[in-house]
Amino acid sequence: SQQGEEDPQALSIQEGENATMNCSYKTSINNLQWYRQNSGRGLVHLILIRSNEREKHSGRLRVTLDTSKKSSSLLITASRAADSASYFCAPFSGSARQLTFGSGTQLTVLP
Amino acid sequence: DADVTQTPRNRITKTGKRIMLECSQTKGHDRMYWYRQDPGLGLRLIYYSFDVKDINKGEISDGYSVSRQAQAKFSLSLESAIPNQTALYFCATGIGQGTSGELFFGEGSRLTVL
Repeated sequence: SQQGEEDPQALSIQEGENATMNCSYKTSINNLQWYRQNSGRGLVHLILIRSNEREKHSGRLRVTLDTSKKSSSLLITASRAADSASYFCAPFSGSARQLTFGSGTQLTVLP
Repeated sequence: DADVTQTPRNRITKTGKRIMLECSQTKGHDRMYWYRQDPGLGLRLIYYSFDVKDINKGEISDGYSVSRQAQAKFSLSLESAIPNQTALYFCATGIGQGTSGELFFGEGSRLTVL
């Protein structure tokens, strides 16, 4: 399995601004998943983008995938204080037996 | 009720004690996983199981053992706890081969070893 690497490690923005987090990976994938973790809580699956998709939306979330660059980005529009959390990407290949997580991006949205 | 339940949620113990963390799920998933998270770090895989007869070591299995008592239950044991096993432990479940690989996490078990 391969691990995604999130960038930046930490991001602090004002409420109402957009937050963009990036993810890079190394080998071919079937899909790439984004998870959210509130402080001290379990990870929650946010959105999945398949390797043949370039962009996907879900509410205020927009995910892009560039398989040629082996990178993905997660955009949260009109951020709220409640969006403050750690965000992890997880690249998944069909042959993988597990998901591996990087260190995540810790997002702080200031009221 | 939560789909993936971990017990205990918090535990403080002493060096050398045997500790068991339990995980049960009502999602009917075949795959179950134990991860460990240390402050400011990502999750590291300890063990995973694809069914009751298929148990595999993950990245950091030393000092840990597991038992898959049934499809719905997967326990993690620390035979002789040491302070550097102080961490937040997560159980997760997944559907199976040929699927998206999406995982469903429990709320975590916070373990402190003194």
